[in-house]
Amino acid sequence: GENVEQHPSTLSVQEGDSAVIKCTYSDSASNYFPWYKQELGKGPQLIIDIRSNVGEKKDQRIAVTLNKTAKHFSLHITETQPEDSAVYFCAARSLGSSNTGKLIFGQGTTLQVKP
Amino acid sequence: KAGVTQTPRYLIKTRGQQVTLSCSPISGHRSVSWYQQTPGQGLQFLFEYFSETQRNKGNFPGRFSGRQFSNSRSEMNVSTLELGDSALYLCASSSGRSQGHYEQYFGPGTRLTVT
Repeated sequence: GENVEQHPSTLSVQEGDSAVIKCTYSDSASNYFPWYKQELGKGPQLIIDIRSNVGEKKDQRIAVTLNKTAKHFSLHITETQPEDSAVYFCAARSLGSSNTGKLIFGQGTTLQVKP
Repeated sequence: KAGVTQTPRYLIKTRGQQVTLSCSPISGHRSVSWYQQTPGQGLQFLFEYFSETQRNKGNFPGRFSGRQFSNSRSEMNVSTLELGDSALYLCASSSGRSQGHYEQYFGPGTRLTVT
């Protein structure tokens, strides 16, 4: 069935270092890949997304890359800050049997940025 | 623009009871999706409503149901509650337009505890 694998499950970096989170999806028809940041007690916040016709997208310190052939995409955070500490989720919009699509989420990565 | 609102924020119910959760999407958005978030299963898609019609459904038992009103507000209902239904229930709002407008914005969630 539709599946998104996310690695690593936890990631600890020093402030100022870069962090990379990787995801692999199973539905080759997936066409949209968002990333969410969830802080304690809050709902997931959309931080960046990429569509299947684009290979890379950048927004300040955050970038996402997509390799459709390999069916994987990655989140890159540069110059990490303590406020980047949160749980990050990747997702893939899977069409499945319906053309309307639904988001399939990875299991999440807990990022800790040490001051 | 106001964000997605969910009520109530916290709820404690007893096994066998039923519960109704409410979600108000971002103004102008016509699509509402519901997700269940648990530590063990992560974020799982329940269903999506658009223009008062369910247009996508996840793999949950029939005890989970929903509806959408003409003002796009949505409710989800869980009948005959089980201990395993304890979770954070998240609502996500989207414009619902079919081509290219896939962004989903989450509310803060309703924390349901079943005892």
